[in-house]
Amino acid sequence: DFVMTQSPDSLPVSLGERATITCKSSQSVLYSSHNKNYLAWYQQKPGQPPKLLIYWASTRESGVPDRFSGSGSGTDFTLTISSLQAEDVAIYYCQQYYSNPYTFGQGTKLEIK
Amino acid sequence: QVQLQESGPGLVKPSETLSLTCNVSGGSITSFYWSWIRQPPGKRLEWIGYIYYTGSTKYNPSLKSRVTISVDTSKNQFSLTLTSVTTADTAVYYCARGGAAGDHWGQGTLVTVSS
Repeated sequence: DFVMTQSPDSLPVSLGERATITCKSSQSVLYSSHNKNYLAWYQQKPGQPPKLLIYWASTRESGVPDRFSGSGSGTDFTLTISSLQAEDVAIYYCQQYYSNPYTFGQGTKLEIK
Repeated sequence: QVQLQESGPGLVKPSETLSLTCNVSGGSITSFYWSWIRQPPGKRLEWIGYIYYTGSTKYNPSLKSRVTISVDTSKNQFSLTLTSVTTADTAVYYCARGGAAGDHWGQGTLVTVSS
């Protein structure tokens, strides 16, 4: 199985500051013939289901604020929130959908400093 | 706006069968993939499998021997069956639209396996 490892586990950030979460896959999730990275990012708030933010590693889902961006390729990926808002407090997960079983990272808890 | 809602028993006895249904409203179940994902307490999300509206499926190999996902297009719903459950199957179970990255999710339902 592809092992997805996120860092850090917990991230305190001041309002208005940049937040950066990394996700590392044990194997490449780049499908070279398509030139696509099979990686998604989700946001989960307490008592709610995960919400898709980013797919194909860098494509923002419709309706997601542009302060959220995804980057990276192969095995190393980053989710960046350019200016943290109070409503961004949540747990963030990465997920690879390159290989069955599709696996998730352990989550990064983003909080206000 | 597509909405998904899981339903089924919240308590299942060990060795018995867990059955959940996901009702899809606000859109047709046809032309999409539909998934089940679960989250055990304090653990990461686990993808269970998906079904295409035509009935073709893909399952997590670790669960494949116990899992069946089916679809009923006439009722606009799809279902999960997990046999021979143990306490390790205790989790919040989510249904979602999409075979890989889910773009719409149900609220989730807690299923506890206990005698």
